[in-house]
Amino acid sequence: GEKVEQHESTLSVREGDSAVINCTYTDTASSYFPWYKQEAGKSLHFVIDIRSNVDRKQSQRLIVLLDKKAKRFSLHITATQPEDSAIYFCAASRGGSAKLIFGEGTKLTVSS
Amino acid sequence: GGIITQTPKFLIGQEGQKLTLKCQQNFNHDTMYWYRQDSGKGLRLIYYSITENDLQKGDLSEGYDASREKKSSFSLTVTSAQKNEMAVFLCASSIPRAGYEQYFGPGTRLTVL
Repeated sequence: GEKVEQHESTLSVREGDSAVINCTYTDTASSYFPWYKQEAGKSLHFVIDIRSNVDRKQSQRLIVLLDKKAKRFSLHITATQPEDSAIYFCAASRGGSAKLIFGEGTKLTVSS
Repeated sequence: GGIITQTPKFLIGQEGQKLTLKCQQNFNHDTMYWYRQDSGKGLRLIYYSITENDLQKGDLSEGYDASREKKSSFSLTVTSAQKNEMAVFLCASSIPRAGYEQYFGPGTRLTVL
């Protein structure tokens, strides 16, 4: 079946540094790529997404890059803060489908 | 704003027991989802419902039933609880178009004795 893989299961950075989380997908028909954040003991919430008609999107300190040729997308968190510490999940879905395929998550730790 | 509530928060059952998890949302969203999250892993889709009278299987539907009682509520039944099913079950909702964010509930943690 279709898969989304997150390459880093854990990531540690120092406060103020940048963090990069990478994902790859297998379904060439994927066209929507959201990211979700799960803080300790809490549920998931949406942080940012990108659609296949663009290759870059920025929202404040979050940047998402999409390389359709390589079937790869990444989340860049700039100027990290301790409150960025969480598990981040990437996901992908096909155009016209409500069904998201999630990656396994990356635990980001930002130390001060 | 809206909210998704899941009941119960913790569910303890015996192996072989039939167990039901409930989800309610007041976003007025058409589409609702049930996911299973195993410890340290990603989410796997069990069932989803695009609109009130729709029900679709996800990748992990075997051993589960689902019911969309009305637009605001979506229930999941574990038909025969197994010890390897200890996990958190997450409900989510969204508008009924592809490519829009899902809003998640707080989860139900299932323990099977």
